[in-house]
Amino acid sequence: SQKIEQNSEALNIQEGKTATLTCNYTNYSPAYLQWYRQDPGRGPVFLLLIRENEKEKRKERLKVTFDTTLKQSLFHITASQPADSATYLCALEGYSTLTFGKGTMLLVSP
Amino acid sequence: GAVVSQHPSWVICKSGTSVKIECRSLDFQATTMFWYRQFPKQSLMLMATSNEGSKATYEQGVEKDKFLINHASLTLSTLTVTSAHPEDSSFYICSAVGRGGVSTDTQYFGPGTRLTVL
Repeated sequence: SQKIEQNSEALNIQEGKTATLTCNYTNYSPAYLQWYRQDPGRGPVFLLLIRENEKEKRKERLKVTFDTTLKQSLFHITASQPADSATYLCALEGYSTLTFGKGTMLLVSP
Repeated sequence: GAVVSQHPSWVICKSGTSVKIECRSLDFQATTMFWYRQFPKQSLMLMATSNEGSKATYEQGVEKDKFLINHASLTLSTLTVTSAHPEDSSFYICSAVGRGGVSTDTQYFGPGTRLTVL
């Protein structure tokens, strides 16, 4: 069956460091993958979309990689700030719908 | 751009009553809207997909007679939880995909509605 795995344990890092979050999937061949940010009690906010034929995408301090052979996406936040603390969700496209992972909570301490 | 609103943001109701949640795309036309449910520390679970002017498509295990979805216009979809029970308490989130200055590949999410059934 299809499965999306994100690290369930919170990632604690210090301000200024690079945060790296992982999304692994099985039994999928998505045309694209998306990353969202979700704050407590709020809906997800779209961050980045990367297509299957793209290896890397950047937006300001964010970078996403997509390895369709490894079936993995990495999400990086460089020069992290306490305001980056949130839960980050990866989502895979399939048949015009999105399937979400459970998300990884990122905590950036000053 | 690409703002989606939901109303109400939270609602508390008695068991057995019905609750309606509205989802609106404020600055674009939503050709497709999605309804999700999220339990604490869980991922968003897709409940149904609705296209404007047609019946919603429900995911397996979601009762269409209990969760009534209407997508009557390109800017409004409603979810009605009929005869709500405590196990229906959850965070309900809508999203929209559309046209008119927005990416057609991206779902834009509303802020969510917290439903508590007593």
